[in-house]
Amino acid sequence: EVQLVESGGDLVQPGGSLRLSCTASGFTFHNYAVSWVRQAPGKGLECVSAISGSGGSTYYADSVRGRFTISRDNSKDTVYLQMNSLRAEDTAVYYCAKVSEAATLLSSFDCWGQGTLVTVSS
Amino acid sequence: DIVMTQSPDSLAVSLGERATINCKSSQSVLYSSKNKNYLAWYQQKPGQPPKLLIYWASTRESGVPDRFSGSGSGTDFTLTISSLQAEDVAVYFCQQYFATPPGTFGQGTRVEIK
Repeated sequence: EVQLVESGGDLVQPGGSLRLSCTASGFTFHNYAVSWVRQAPGKGLECVSAISGSGGSTYYADSVRGRFTISRDNSKDTVYLQMNSLRAEDTAVYYCAKVSEAATLLSSFDCWGQGTLVTVSS
Repeated sequence: DIVMTQSPDSLAVSLGERATINCKSSQSVLYSSKNKNYLAWYQQKPGQPPKLLIYWASTRESGVPDRFSGSGSGTDFTLTISSLQAEDVAVYFCQQYFATPPGTFGQGTRVEIK
């Protein structure tokens, strides 16, 4: 069974840092790009970052560029999202999502984790 | 950036009736050389992550009931639920994955029972 499990969400003060992890199972991890998608309370979906299967290509939404860093360790089947200089508007459930097609970033998401909650507040 | 706009924001439909959700992109998401529209639809129920329903604008994901269908091309797309069931109450999102990853979503359409 294809599965993604996020961890690392927490309550953090504005300006603080947090690292999220997304651990995969059930598929050939290094063949697939993974994205982080967030959802603020009661709001829609925003893709904030993506990384190719090899880790050689990364992308960021304008709202997080320069503050967030995505990476992956294919030996551990895990993708990370390092979040620095956190703001109140970063408060959201963060999902990791696997693309449907191998070897491309331009694909729908066929598997999502259950999400991890990040709350930025003093 | 490609902006995705859904309509309506919410709709109430009687059980067994048809529900139609529209999605418009600010530019074409049709990759002409492949003749594919880079457009997906997702369903999200409360407290759950989104679930992929439709990709390539009209291809149903494995296991998705055939009452769900997608249509459209270029900039205008539609998700149709042919006969609404109680378990279809959810928020539905369209997403383009044509331009610069990781793609953008519409604002969502809430479907309720009338």
